[in-house]
Amino acid sequence: DTGVSQNPRHKITKRGQNVTFRCDPISEHNRLYWYRQTLGQGPEFLTYFQNEAQLEKSRLLSDRFSAERPKGSFSTLEIQRTEQGDSAMYLCASSGPRDRDSRTEAFFGQGTRLTVV
Amino acid sequence: AQSVTQLGSHVSVSEGALVLLRCNYSSSVPPYLFWYVQYPNQGLQLLLKYTTGATLVKGINGFEAEFKKSETSFHLTKPSAHMSDAAEYFCAVSPSYNFNKFYFGSGTKLNVKP
Repeated sequence: DTGVSQNPRHKITKRGQNVTFRCDPISEHNRLYWYRQTLGQGPEFLTYFQNEAQLEKSRLLSDRFSAERPKGSFSTLEIQRTEQGDSAMYLCASSGPRDRDSRTEAFFGQGTRLTVV
Repeated sequence: AQSVTQLGSHVSVSEGALVLLRCNYSSSVPPYLFWYVQYPNQGLQLLLKYTTGATLVKGINGFEAEFKKSETSFHLTKPSAHMSDAAEYFCAVSPSYNFNKFYFGSGTKLNVKP
């Protein structure tokens, strides 16, 4: 069990460009979440997958954002036409079905820090 | 609706002193409550959680928290601070009917003075 892995760790992009981040959850986890954390704030929920199904999306997830989880394994988060306001840490977390109690614990990756210039 | 308020964005204590980080929550349904710690440029690590049962919850690194329903609080304590405790701490709530979705407070940065 190597934990939740996110790539890249850092991304600098020019305004208007598209970016894609990848999250590899803990292998037996069927739930995967994306959060966004801006400077000085706590993480904010963006979206959630159970297996390959995207079950919930926050209103924070504008039309420029899309997330996928093909085959219920890794997930990607794409931001199109990036804006300076998209600069943030994007965190991925996963949780698993081992038992009811384990499902309440989400394990977080180290995040991808996006800077839009 | 769920929300979390963490009183004090910065807390400073001396090494060996009591650590008290405050968290109040609002939830329209029975909540699950969590404390996470974040070191610089790192993800979040779970310290402890309350779901059901005993209201005094013990976590890692000597931390504990008590769920007080009447006060809608879930304050984090540690009897004796260590230099390695310096980090940012986040309180979070999730509704018990949908424990997948966390609402985080804005965080408290803990500074430990030698």
